[in-house]
Amino acid sequence: EIVLTQSPATLSLSPGERATLSCRASQSVSSSLAWYQQKPGQPPRLLIFEASRRATGIPARFSGSGSGTDFTLTISSLEPEDFAVYYCQQRNWPPTFGGGTKVEIK
Amino acid sequence: EVQLMESGGGLIQPGGSLRLSCAASGLVVSGTYMNWVRQAPGKGLEWVSLIYSGDNTYYVDSVKGRFTISRDHSKNTVFLQMNNLRAEDTAVYYCVGAVSFAYYFDYWGRGTLVTVSS
Repeated sequence: EIVLTQSPATLSLSPGERATLSCRASQSVSSSLAWYQQKPGQPPRLLIFEASRRATGIPARFSGSGSGTDFTLTISSLEPEDFAVYYCQQRNWPPTFGGGTKVEIK
Repeated sequence: EVQLMESGGGLIQPGGSLRLSCAASGLVVSGTYMNWVRQAPGKGLEWVSLIYSGDNTYYVDSVKGRFTISRDHSKNTVFLQMNNLRAEDTAVYYCVGAVSFAYYFDYWGRGTLVTVSS
């Protein structure tokens, strides 16, 4: 099973700032990685798949990069609605999720 | 618009059984990779099970032999039969559709809470 480690656990930023979230895989997953956003009381929402492709309806301020074992989700300028928990997920069998990064208001 | 509506959660004693249902609209379950993903209270996400064409089914190791995923084409509904439940199965269970790629989770229901406790 591939283990995904996300860092930092918590990111304290102000609206308008740039957020950089990291996800590291215990072995190569090629580009088979997705990012999700989850707000309290809501299910997760797919943001990015195949490491860098935005899902339908996702704003351009969200971008993904990386391949192999190291991946990054960047939010170019934080909007108030972006404060949430973000999870990475790899799709090799069995699919696994990272532990999450909470982006909170500073 | 795709909607997935879970039901069937509740409080159950250890060793008991529950059957979760996921009624789908806006997508056809027989042509979609349908999954269950769970989230323990205050914790992260864990993929649980998948069913796709030809009734191929897959499970995370921790539920193998205890959980069974199935679907009813006529009702456009997916089920998760959960037997011999344990405290560690306590979680919100989400029904999730993967349309674009297997194991990229495009559509999520709002979840149903399963609490295993005496």
